Amino acid sequence: DQQVKQNSPSLSVQEGRISILNCDYTNSMFDYFLWYKKYPAEGPTFLISISSIKDKNEDGRFTVFLNKSAKHLSLHIVPSQPGDSAVYFCAASYGSGNTGKLIFGQGTTLQVKP
Amino acid sequence: NAGVMQNPRHLVRRRGQEARLRCSPMKGHSHVYWYRQLPEEGLKFMVYLQKENIIDESGMPKERFSAEFPKEGPSILRIQQVVRGDSAAYFCASSPPWLAYTGELFFGEGSRLTVL
Repeated sequence: DQQVKQNSPSLSVQEGRISILNCDYTNSMFDYFLWYKKYPAEGPTFLISISSIKDKNEDGRFTVFLNKSAKHLSLHIVPSQPGDSAVYFCAASYGSGNTGKLIFGQGTTLQVKP
Repeated sequence: NAGVMQNPRHLVRRRGQEARLRCSPMKGHSHVYWYRQLPEEGLKFMVYLQKENIIDESGMPKERFSAEFPKEGPSILRIQQVVRGDSAAYFCASSPPWLAYTGELFFGEGSRLTVL
């Protein structure tokens, strides 16, 4: 029962262009959605999050969009840089009463070509 | 400003042996979590602990796995009688109480267990 899904295992974009990573979820009880970035042989690093009461959150080059009716969120990276090449995980949490239990997607490997 | 410290980074065990993975949370963080990442998969929640208490162990296998976070010292994830299917990367994370609500966790670099 995969509650958080990232259907694209990989994405390749040119430096300077926009990267769009997608994530779908099934559980309408999720309160917070997060994106983590992971380099090989390292732990995931928190990137950006969004509360379910919002539809957009922006932090520098990174913007997360949430469409609750479609149970879909996306991460936009503009402009993309070679250093952004990593695995990106979408995750969801239950917020109120949360115990730090995150439900992760399978990850999308982003490659940004110089 | 040390981050979450995990050791060992790599551990090789033969089937039937025990594996012990250690995690020291970031200074000031009272919440510790363990996640497991199997090859080609995302991270899966295992357990959430506070000092001397297991708060949520809903992701822990019923047998052979245990976790603790004693009053003094690191958190320990213990796997008894390891099998090949236990081979994975085990990540520890910590957070201060006010970030546990949102799920913003600070992860260590992981301990990679290989069972021969």
